[in-house]
Amino acid sequence: VQLVESGGGLVQPGGSLRLSCAVSGFSFSGYYMDWVRQAPGKGLEWVGRSRNKDHNYITEYAASVKGRFTISRDDSKNSLYLQVNSLTTDDTAVYYCVKVKGGTVASLDLWGQGTLVTVSS
Amino acid sequence: QSALTQPPSVSGSPGQSVTISCTGTSSDVGNYNRVSWYQQSPGTAPKLMIYEVSNRLSGVPDRFSGSKSGNTASLTISGLQAEDEAGYYCSSYTTSSTVIFGGGTKLTVL
Repeated sequence: VQLVESGGGLVQPGGSLRLSCAVSGFSFSGYYMDWVRQAPGKGLEWVGRSRNKDHNYITEYAASVKGRFTISRDDSKNSLYLQVNSLTTDDTAVYYCVKVKGGTVASLDLWGQGTLVTVSS
Repeated sequence: QSALTQPPSVSGSPGQSVTISCTGTSSDVGNYNRVSWYQQSPGTAPKLMIYEVSNRLSGVPDRFSGSKSGNTASLTISGLQAEDEAGYYCSSYTTSSTVIFGGGTKLTVL
């Protein structure tokens, strides 16, 4: 079972990035998938969620990123994405791709290794 | 929505028990039995330990237990071992259909 994030890097304030998460080892299409971030030396912050096909791929976001971040998924490619726009220095963090445990809505049972996004001029 | 409230740090000697609290509101912890606990060692991704208040994930030692009363959830680690030294985070589902985390607690095994 693997979740492998990519796409992080250094970006200027106001810039954009698209993060990707490639999944293997479980039936990706059946699960809700989340993004969680962690600023350097800080705690965990839930970013948002993509529900599965059975729940119409509904997306939900934390208030701090709503309107700037967009989560999408491609079940045919077993991949989850996070488009991040209008970045500020407060968005500097490691971004984790996370699987939601089946049958639950708030238990995050599989985590990727994370990809670092640094927002700086 | 503010983070759930956890003590910044707790400590205990090997063999002792420690309890980490996680206080929320009636819009999250108090409204659902959907509290989880995560363990994070430095430089690694978090690991789910306890879900839905008191269910241990497969492979988690039974030294780890969870409970909840009102707006406060708790993680108790009994028979502390050196390997338990890590950061611990609680989380809860909310009435806004989002997930909220606690600020994290650093456990030191003396």
